[in-house]
Amino acid sequence: DAKTTQPPSMDCAEGRAANLPCNHSTISGNEYVYWYRQIHSQGPQYIIHGLKNNETNEMASLIITEDRKSSTLILPHATLRDTAVYYCIVRVGRLLTGGGNKLTFGTGTQLKVEL
Amino acid sequence: DTEVTQTPKHLVMGMTNKKSLKCEQHMGHRAMYWYKQKAKKPPELMFVYSYEKLSINESVPSRFSPECPNSSLLNLHLHALQPEDSALYLCASSQAQGQETQYFGPGTRLLVL
Repeated sequence: DAKTTQPPSMDCAEGRAANLPCNHSTISGNEYVYWYRQIHSQGPQYIIHGLKNNETNEMASLIITEDRKSSTLILPHATLRDTAVYYCIVRVGRLLTGGGNKLTFGTGTQLKVEL
Repeated sequence: DTEVTQTPKHLVMGMTNKKSLKCEQHMGHRAMYWYKQKAKKPPELMFVYSYEKLSINESVPSRFSPECPNSSLLNLHLHALQPEDSALYLCASSQAQGQETQYFGPGTRLLVL
């Protein structure tokens, strides 16, 4: 799976959009971009994923550049509860032999949302 | 119900003890996972079970012994652990087919004395 690079930390004012970048310059054509987050002392939580097109759900939007070498996770109106470590993960769509998939977490971005 | 439950929440054990961590899901998922997370580090995959069979062991020491008694349950048996095994142990599940996402439990925080 392709390696990802994320800034170690970011700050955001509450109510503003939080834009979290991720570089994945070695991504292959069959690899998806996934975003998870981990609030302190909790298990990771799935946010969104995409292959080529931009994606939006109730939590966030995912913008993938045309060359797919980078992406941005957008939290449109960040709240204090969005303070967490955000992980960008790139992985192939195929399953492991026998089923299941493998997530390789990088070091992530610690997002701090402040008043 | 999109919940993965883990028990106990906290566990303190000595190096000679035998203990077990338990994970349960009722989402009909057929793949289940154990991850280990040290403080201020990302989660690291330990084991993957798919359709109750072990499909991946990431070179985990034998003092960790996973077990999947049925499609809803996943156990991690611990024996003769070392202090450096102290960590947050996370369980996750997924559908095992297609572009599925993993749902994580809250974890068991283990301290080995």
